[in-house]
Amino acid sequence: GAVVSQHPSWVICKSGTSVKIECRSLDFQATTMFWYRQFPKQSLMLMATSNEGSKATYEQGVEKDKFLINHASLTLSTLTVTSAHPEDSSFYICSASQTSGAEQFFGPGTRLTVL
Amino acid sequence: QQQVKQSPQSLIVQKGGISIINCAYENTAFDYFPWYQQFPGKGPALLIAIRPDVSEKKEGRFTISFNKSAKQFSLHIMDSQPGDSATYFCAASNSGGYQKVTFGIGTKLQVIP
Repeated sequence: GAVVSQHPSWVICKSGTSVKIECRSLDFQATTMFWYRQFPKQSLMLMATSNEGSKATYEQGVEKDKFLINHASLTLSTLTVTSAHPEDSSFYICSASQTSGAEQFFGPGTRLTVL
Repeated sequence: QQQVKQSPQSLIVQKGGISIINCAYENTAFDYFPWYQQFPGKGPALLIAIRPDVSEKKEGRFTISFNKSAKQFSLHIMDSQPGDSATYFCAASNSGGYQKVTFGIGTKLQVIP
């Protein structure tokens, strides 16, 4: 089946620093990747959608300058949380799909804790 | 605005019983309705999905019932097992465009022996 990996699986950083999270599709080419965040005991909230080689489309209320998304290849997307603050602490999950309208495959998530 | 409403938020079922989770949607443009299972600290995994051209889909112990006119769909887990204990999310999307998925709030299922 389609496998999506994320790295790191967890990260702790100091307030004010930047953190990069990688999302990789291991056995398929992902034309579209999605980034979600999930607070404890809550649902997944879509942050942005990215297509390979294009700028990401951010959901309303998500700061594009704070959450930088790069989808440079068909197997890799990165989310960089810039100048992280404690309120950015969350579980970040990516997903990938092969073609527009196809099923999304989710990564295992990255737990970010900002001290 | 919650486009996909899910209930209950928590559910306790005895082993061997039937777990039922209900969802309702508002956007008639949705045409793909997946259910995801998520274990603590893990990403969600697709369990089963349905499109509105059928009223029911069954895969093993998992069945989706879909009522297009009522804009409702539900997940039934037959012969529930302790290993089914997880959080279940219903979702809906419009498969055109970038297939943005809207999730329900989630149901934490606990199957007790």
